[in-house]
Amino acid sequence: KAGVTQTPRYLIKTRGQQVTLSCSPISGHRSVSWYQQTPGQGLQFLFEYFSETQRNKGNFPGRFSGRQFSNSRSEMNVSTLELGDSALYLCASSLRASGESYRDEQYFGPGTRLTVT
Amino acid sequence: SQQGEEDPQALSIQEGENATMNCSYKTSINNLQWYRQNSGRGLVHLILIRSNEREKHSGRLRVTLDTSKKSSSLLITASRAADTASYFCATERNNNDMRFGAGTRLTVKP
Repeated sequence: KAGVTQTPRYLIKTRGQQVTLSCSPISGHRSVSWYQQTPGQGLQFLFEYFSETQRNKGNFPGRFSGRQFSNSRSEMNVSTLELGDSALYLCASSLRASGESYRDEQYFGPGTRLTVT
Repeated sequence: SQQGEEDPQALSIQEGENATMNCSYKTSINNLQWYRQNSGRGLVHLILIRSNEREKHSGRLRVTLDTSKKSSSLLITASRAADTASYFCATERNNNDMRFGAGTRLTVKP
């Protein structure tokens, strides 16, 4: 099976712009989660989507949003970029959604490294 | 905010030695997972242990979970240079979100 893919791998944007990142989960996986990783804050949970519905959301401002399509592919959008948004954005997929009795492991993509200048 | 805290922050050992990393957390959890990350790349899942389990093994990896102490440990036996990476614990809490610790940076010297 192909792994989780994320596009683009690298991105440079200017403050105030907006950005859309894409994630294709492993075939058959319906849960997609997004994480932000920075040296200062570490790995932080952004949100989780399952069957096109947002199930959980981390403690991030409304500038961060996401969606999931019927084929389970997911996008996340960051509007009005700030310098502090520079980070590695990781997407992870799993068979089942969080909170279900038999939670599966998550499979991570290689990430999108976003630099905001 | 982070739920788990790994200890130590950094660990350096010789090839062939065992490496033990610890993780403590604050609230009740559904399960705890350990992941490995090689320098700025995606995470690789190692082991998932559920809240009603106490110990799991996978190859050279052994994970224990003590819910009364809210702590877990990851033991890597007979370490290899290829084990050099950052190791994270992640907890899935009862409200369903996942929280990662700050990680332990393991260096295995050949």
